[in-house]
Amino acid sequence: DGGITQSPKYLFRKEGQNVTLSCEQNLNHDAMYWYRQDPGQGLRLIYYSQIVNDFQKGDIAEGYSVSREKKESFPLTVTSAQKNPTAFYLCASSIGTVVNEQFFGPGTRLTVL
Amino acid sequence: ILNVEQSPQSLHVQEGDSTNFTCSFPSSNFYALHWYRWETAKSPEALFVMTLNGDEKKKGRISATLNTKEGYSYLYIKGSQPEDSATYLCAFNPLYGNKLVFGAGTILRVKS
Repeated sequence: DGGITQSPKYLFRKEGQNVTLSCEQNLNHDAMYWYRQDPGQGLRLIYYSQIVNDFQKGDIAEGYSVSREKKESFPLTVTSAQKNPTAFYLCASSIGTVVNEQFFGPGTRLTVL
Repeated sequence: ILNVEQSPQSLHVQEGDSTNFTCSFPSSNFYALHWYRWETAKSPEALFVMTLNGDEKKKGRISATLNTKEGYSYLYIKGSQPEDSATYLCAFNPLYGNKLVFGAGTILRVKS
């Protein structure tokens, strides 16, 4: 079955620690995206990558980092510089054409203790 | 910064009621408008992708219309069922820039 997987589903972190969220897709999509969702707000774009070894900052990139070493994988690191990291994180992928229909993973809920 | 607004924020209806909600988006640099349904504990899934002014799309009891000149889209659900309960997201797909801009969503709860 083709799809997008994210792990873990729930993640707890102590303040001051970096943490990495996994996102893998087997849809052969070129483009991948990371979003953050907070209550009452839309999905906000953190980072996106249109091709391997290339990525761009989204609207709220501060305190986050990414890598795109393989087409299938786009991990997101939440660093200690992110001031309010508790949120729900969604990963998505798309073919990468202008009509940008995106397919989403199940999400990771990060809680900072 | 592109702004996409959805209204209402939430909606509670009885089973069998028909309902509709609105997505407002910029009328310039338009390429497509996406609707997604996001059920609790699941991933958002695509409902419609609309590109042409006046476009109407339908999937079962759900339909959507698009007005690109004035920058809005309506999503209609006829005869709501409890399984329609979800958050409905719209996303603006600009012509330039390979990213979507999402609205905050409309939360629909259908009571049986």
